[in-house]
Amino acid sequence: DAKTTQPPSMDCAEGRAANLPCNHSTISGNEYVYWYRQIHSQGPQYIIHGLKNNETNEMASLIITEDRKSSTLILPHATLRDTAVYYCIVRTGNQFYFGTGTSLTVIP
Amino acid sequence: DAMVIQNPRYQVTQFGKPVTLSCSQTLNHNVMYWYQQKSSQAPKLLFHYYDKDFNNEADTPDNFQSRRPNTSFCFLDIRSPGLGDAAMYLCATSRDRTGNLEQFFGPGTRLTVL
Repeated sequence: DAKTTQPPSMDCAEGRAANLPCNHSTISGNEYVYWYRQIHSQGPQYIIHGLKNNETNEMASLIITEDRKSSTLILPHATLRDTAVYYCIVRTGNQFYFGTGTSLTVIP
Repeated sequence: DAMVIQNPRYQVTQFGKPVTLSCSQTLNHNVMYWYQQKSSQAPKLLFHYYDKDFNNEADTPDNFQSRRPNTSFCFLDIRSPGLGDAAMYLCATSRDRTGNLEQFFGPGTRLTVL
């Protein structure tokens, strides 16, 4: 049921921006894109969400393409504590269906 | 701080022995969800409660049941655990079902079946 596709893994140097892509080509007009991350053995943590416009908060920025078929999560200055699995989720109705996620490793 | 609490964090049961996992929330949210997450996989939604209204996912096995006696508590019952039910079980809440609302997750209960 996952409506998102993400690369399975990525590396990023500490202090650099981490750009995590997500494809959601079948997204409907009123479905939101959410990003969560999961640090090992913990529950998923909310990062950001958006519908059409780009969004920014204290944790990250979310860039959504004009056709809404893909998005990119940007962690502007990655730290070692950002090492986690990042899930891009399209909210379908009232439920989240998680994709397979991207395992991000921040390298010192 | 308002939060989602899951007890215990680690649970060991025997093959076929019923087990109950618990979740409580101080957020006063209307919706509570249960997810199953197997090793190296994404969380998979089992079911959710909207207030007292139970909503089961189509592919959730009958072996899994849930109870929500009040707004704050929700339980996951596994009637006859099999080895394949070993997983992390995550509870989540959201204020409502509609709108662009985020889900808040608890830390999870890791279930081991011997």
